[in-house]
Amino acid sequence: LAKTTQPISMDSYEGQEVNITCSHNNIATNDYITWYQQFPSQGPRFIIQGYKTKVTNEVASLFIPADRKSSTLSLPRVSLSDTAVYYCLVGEGLTGGGNKLTFGTGTQLKVEL
Amino acid sequence: NAGVMQNPRHLVRRRGQEARLRCSPMKGHSHVYWYRQLPEEGLKFMVYLQKENIIDESGMPKERFSAEFPKEGPSILRIQQVVRGDSAAYFCASSLGRPSETQYFGPGTRLLVL
Repeated sequence: LAKTTQPISMDSYEGQEVNITCSHNNIATNDYITWYQQFPSQGPRFIIQGYKTKVTNEVASLFIPADRKSSTLSLPRVSLSDTAVYYCLVGEGLTGGGNKLTFGTGTQLKVEL
Repeated sequence: NAGVMQNPRHLVRRRGQEARLRCSPMKGHSHVYWYRQLPEEGLKFMVYLQKENIIDESGMPKERFSAEFPKEGPSILRIQQVVRGDSAAYFCASSLGRPSETQYFGPGTRLLVL
């Protein structure tokens, strides 16, 4: 079963746009892509969810290409408080049917002044 | 509307004891998921339950671990005869409908096995 992979870490400065990509080439046909933010010693916090093309809410945008084998979380104008680990969550199709919920490997974003 | 609640937040057990972790889903949510996060690692799916039913337990270790979500009361993740390798943060999430719908997470229970 292919892993759902992300870059281990990213560095940015306040005010910049940050794009984090998740590779999920075994995503189930009927499953959504969800992104979460996690601070140390806390539970994951929902950021955004999408199925295809582009989704935007008040905190982020999510870009999903037509083949849905990857997705990109875009954070506009990051601040110090955006320093956290970001995870994608997808359902991966299993041989023989069914989906397996799989988190990406996580990306540690560090934002500096 | 209260979020997902987990208790205890911290749990210390000696090797061989039992650990019981509780999760109350968001109001109106009947789908519950348990995940484990080992120190310095990512989140791993363990089990997915609907009221009184285990839907998918493919991520559960074959021995010592069990989960339930009774008709009344919280979901329980039970670990028997704990070992040091069970030390981790255990997160519960709930959703209104099937797994592809948004899952909302609790604050987690941090289990330490001495």
